[in-house]
Amino acid sequence: DAMVIQNPRYQVTQFGKPVTLSCSQTLNHNVMYWYQQKSSQAPKLLFHYYDKDFNNEADTPDNFQSRRPNTSFCFLDIRSPGLGDTAMYLCATSRDVRQGRNGANVLTFGAGSRLTVL
Amino acid sequence: RKEVEQDPGPFNVPEGATVAFNCTYSNSASQSFFWYRQDCRKEPKLLMSVYSSGNEDGRFTAQLNRASQYISLLIRDSKLSDSATYLCVVMTYNQGGKLIFGQGTELSVKP
Repeated sequence: DAMVIQNPRYQVTQFGKPVTLSCSQTLNHNVMYWYQQKSSQAPKLLFHYYDKDFNNEADTPDNFQSRRPNTSFCFLDIRSPGLGDTAMYLCATSRDVRQGRNGANVLTFGAGSRLTVL
Repeated sequence: RKEVEQDPGPFNVPEGATVAFNCTYSNSASQSFFWYRQDCRKEPKLLMSVYSSGNEDGRFTAQLNRASQYISLLIRDSKLSDSATYLCVVMTYNQGGKLIFGQGTELSVKP
């Protein structure tokens, strides 16, 4: 059974048309991450939530926003997608990274949302 | 300098070969280390955590050298099903516990 579920799996949008990607988890994990992965590149961390505490990466464009209304759900909003935002967007969760407990910082990924901007 | 760097690929090896991947990290405060496997157009999946004493899981052996800030993954007796991209992942708690990925090394095992 899928434990981190991302929707939609595939999204095609027009340049400048807002997009929202969703992620839900049944693991009750504290931490939720959004990564962007472009073709043949490493996943790049955009931001993460530790509970409700939002942590933005310094180089994440303002065009990318996130919401976490509750423990189970997290959203990625792209306000005005550009052609360069075509990528796979990966949501991941982990239990409690800051405590360093064994296994707590292992990431569980969703299957990803593949976004194409035309 | 990238925070996590891996050997450039692709590695093309015959079945049964032994192959080794290397990874270096720049932040000496990094505390947790992992190897993930990513199949084409799929999400990354944990292959194994890397412990200071080194650890083995079947045909896979991971080693960590903190002094040199270096991680390795050895795959023995390669199978066709090992073909994938292998990602080195490093976590640093003083950066809020974020995990940083290397760019990945592609492995192709041929019959």
